[in-house]
Amino acid sequence: GAVVSQHPSRVICKSGTSVKIECRSLDFQATTMFWYRQFPKQSLMLMATSNEGSKATYEQGVEKDKFLINHASLTLSTLTVTSAHPEDSSFYICSARELAGPQHFGDGTRLSIL
Amino acid sequence: QQQVKQSPQSLIVQKGGISIINCAYENTAFDYFPWYQQFPGKGPALLIAIRPDVSEKKEGRFTISFNKSAKQFSLHIMDSQPGDSATYFCAARNTGKLIFGQGTTLQVKP
Repeated sequence: GAVVSQHPSRVICKSGTSVKIECRSLDFQATTMFWYRQFPKQSLMLMATSNEGSKATYEQGVEKDKFLINHASLTLSTLTVTSAHPEDSSFYICSARELAGPQHFGDGTRLSIL
Repeated sequence: QQQVKQSPQSLIVQKGGISIINCAYENTAFDYFPWYQQFPGKGPALLIAIRPDVSEKKEGRFTISFNKSAKQFSLHIMDSQPGDSATYFCAARNTGKLIFGQGTTLQVKP
C-alpha cells in the first residue's frame, strides 16, 4: 500500500516552456502533499506544502509565481514550472501523507531545460 | 535550529559487515525521525522510523538507535548486502515538515 505515482518521470523542453508535473496517491487519500527539489548528489529541499483545497505554503526563497502548485483533490497535486529556464533543471519529487501518517514519496521527475 | 547533520558523507562496507550512519539535531521540537533509502533516479523510500520517546527500534536488519539527551540518532544495517548500496537520508519532522540530512552514499562490496 501507500503508493505515490509521479508523472512524467522525465521531461526535456525548451527554455520558456511551462511544464506540469502530476503527483497522485493511488491507494490512500493524501490530506497533505509536499514538493521537493533535489540537485545531483544533494539532499531534498522542501519547496512547498499543500493541503487539499487550500493554497500551497511555500518555503522561504521559493517563487510561488514560478512554481504553481494545485491540490484540487485528495489524490492529486500538480506542480507547474512556469517559463522554465536552464537553472530550473533539477529532480522534482513529490510526497503524500494521509492525516498524521508518514510521507510516501513518488519516483521523481527529471526536468531538463535546454 | 532546523538543521539535521548527517555523517559520514560516504561509506564503504564489506558484504556481511555493519553499516552505521549517524545524525545529529538541535531542535527539541522534532517529533519523528525517519530514515529513507534512495536509489539513483528514484524517490526516497521509507526504511524505518522512530519517535523520541523510544531509544531503539529494530526492523529486520535495520536498527535505529536514538539518544534524546545527546540529540543524536543512528541507523545500523546489519549483515550489509550489495543490494543495500544506495543513498541513505535521515530526517526529522517539525510541524509536519521533514528536514533531511545531507545523505550518505553506502557502497557494500561483495
